[in-house]
Amino acid sequence: EPEVTQTPSHQVTQMGQEVILRCVPISNHVYFYWYRQILGQKVEFLVSFYNNEISEKSEIFDDQFSVERPDGSNFTLKIRSTKLEDSAMYFCASSARGLQPQHFGDGTRLSIL
Amino acid sequence: ILNVEQSPQSLHVQEGDSTNFTCSFPSSNFYALHWYRWETAKSPEALFVMTLNGDEKKKGRISATLNTKEGYSYLYIKGSQPEDSATYLCAFRDDSNYQLIWGAGTKLIIKP
Repeated sequence: EPEVTQTPSHQVTQMGQEVILRCVPISNHVYFYWYRQILGQKVEFLVSFYNNEISEKSEIFDDQFSVERPDGSNFTLKIRSTKLEDSAMYFCASSARGLQPQHFGDGTRLSIL
Repeated sequence: ILNVEQSPQSLHVQEGDSTNFTCSFPSSNFYALHWYRWETAKSPEALFVMTLNGDEKKKGRISATLNTKEGYSYLYIKGSQPEDSATYLCAFRDDSNYQLIWGAGTKLIIKP
């Protein structure tokens, strides 16, 4: 069964550094999402992406964050200047249509030192 | 602020027993309710996407019902097995945007 893959599984970065989290969604999916879960808290929506543009973003997704689908395969989340509070599990998801189930990757654990 | 509540927070169930738990969500501007199963160290696995009031969906021993007028959904597991141990998350979507608003989950532990 096709799956969403995320790399790396764990990223350790110094505060203030840029980080790029990578995702390869399921190939025939057209909606893409990033979520995060801070340890002990609920899963939070960050951004959705469709037709090569952001369709929606949450308040969390400020100017420090950006997403890109550079080559029709990868879907990346960039955090420009990381802060301690960016430490979380980051999940990528994709779906075939807006109302279809979202399929999740295994997540990237981001640790900011 | 949209809020999704799940109860109970955790649940211990004897193997073979049936169980159920609740997801509460805003009853206005409903669009869809998603259920996910999340095992430790794995990615959330989609169980159901429910859209219609009164909808009932089933996948093996797991089923879910939906009441959009009063804003709740129940997830039922019949004859619990150890492999059912996981956190069960619900996520709500209203008709104004794409984002899913997540509950905190119900952690289910099946005792052999």
